[in-house]
Amino acid sequence: QVQLVESGGGLVQPGRSLRLSCAASGFPFSSHAIHWVRQAPGKGLEWVATISYDGTNKFYGDSVKGRFTISRDTSKSTVDLQMNSLETEDTAVFYCARGSREFDHWGQGTLVTVSS
Amino acid sequence: DIQMTQTPSTLSASVGDGVTITCRASQSINNWLAWYQQKPGRAPKLLIYKASTLETGVPSRFSGSGSGTEFTLTITSLQPEDFATYYCQHCGGNPYVFGQGTKLEIK
Repeated sequence: QVQLVESGGGLVQPGRSLRLSCAASGFPFSSHAIHWVRQAPGKGLEWVATISYDGTNKFYGDSVKGRFTISRDTSKSTVDLQMNSLETEDTAVFYCARGSREFDHWGQGTLVTVSS
Repeated sequence: DIQMTQTPSTLSASVGDGVTITCRASQSINNWLAWYQQKPGRAPKLLIYKASTLETGVPSRFSGSGSGTEFTLTITSLQPEDFATYYCQHCGGNPYVFGQGTKLEIK
């Protein structure tokens, strides 16, 4: 069955970096776009970034543009989110999701806490 | 950029009631609209895509309609498990914007 498993979350100080990973299984990895979506405590869903099925196209939300970088490794079936210059406002649960249009499968999420 | 506005932000209803949630796009998005359900501490779950297509396994009491800029999610005969937060999303491409969410509470 389709599985997406996030890892890499944790506590990090403002200004520092963190790298999240999304491990995919149960479907042809190279055929699907992968997205990152975050949810700050008590808030709604915010789209963060998208990488196309072949990795050639990458898109970012305005709040993370220039700070976050999305990448994929076909050999490992993983999608990473490199997060630099983290701010307290980046504190959230980060989900990865699959989908070329709608997001039809989601991981369980990983919590990122940015605090001094 | 596209903006998605959901109303209401909170909705109170009883088991057995029917409810409707509205989502408006700031510009036409054709039928590139998805609806998700999220329960506390859980990942969102896809309910409806392309504005009106029910995802496999989703009960038929859920339905979606609309095109262009105005969309609705209707739930008939509410069940206890339906009390959750619902989000609409533009899914036609960058940016994949979500609405602010509608929390459906038990009256």
